[in-house]
Amino acid sequence: KQEVTQIPAALSVPEGENLVLNCSFTDSAIYNLQWFRQDPGKGLTSLLLIQSSQREQTSGRLNASLDKSSGRSTLYIAASQPGDSATYLCAVEGGANSKLTFGKGITLSVRP
Amino acid sequence: NAGVMQNPRHLVRRRGQEARLRCSPMKGHSHVYWYRQLPEEGLKFMVYLQKENIIDESGMPKERFSAEFPKEGPSILRIQQVVRGDSAAYFCASSPSSQGINQPQHFGDGTRLSIL
Repeated sequence: KQEVTQIPAALSVPEGENLVLNCSFTDSAIYNLQWFRQDPGKGLTSLLLIQSSQREQTSGRLNASLDKSSGRSTLYIAASQPGDSATYLCAVEGGANSKLTFGKGITLSVRP
Repeated sequence: NAGVMQNPRHLVRRRGQEARLRCSPMKGHSHVYWYRQLPEEGLKFMVYLQKENIIDESGMPKERFSAEFPKEGPSILRIQQVVRGDSAAYFCASSPSSQGINQPQHFGDGTRLSIL
């Protein structure tokens, strides 16, 4: 059974800092891994999707890496801004068009 | 360019009543997924449907819960005889039917269900 862990549960940093959010999963047989952002009372916004054959994906100030063999992914946020404050969720998909298994998320607060 | 539409956004029910949650997938998407987010918990998969078919319901409670995705109209998640423990945010996601191509699941804003 796949389990996804995100530690710590919460993180507070000053504006401008570069930061790394971690995600680990127990079963390395994944199809892809996604990072999502969730704002309070809102749905999920997909940030980056990394296919199982890829090592990383980049979008603007975000960079996500995937080490499938060790069951780890990181989301790197460069030059953090208060607008980055949200909960960041990591999810893995076990096969094409199959369910996502989520971590509990990391609640990020970026202080002005 | 509408995304995944869920309604209602908020739903209040008394114990024992029925709750119906609706989800219209993105245009061109034929796969629908339902997830539940309990307070202080992560999102948990409930059910995966394609048009007129349930593909995977391994996360669905065996009693009181049912889901459908008819040929016409939205997907419906139905909870009968609701209890306080059903209070949660229910999210719907959709994806296109392209096999072999990694496509992210697109999520709606969810329905917040509160049981009095």
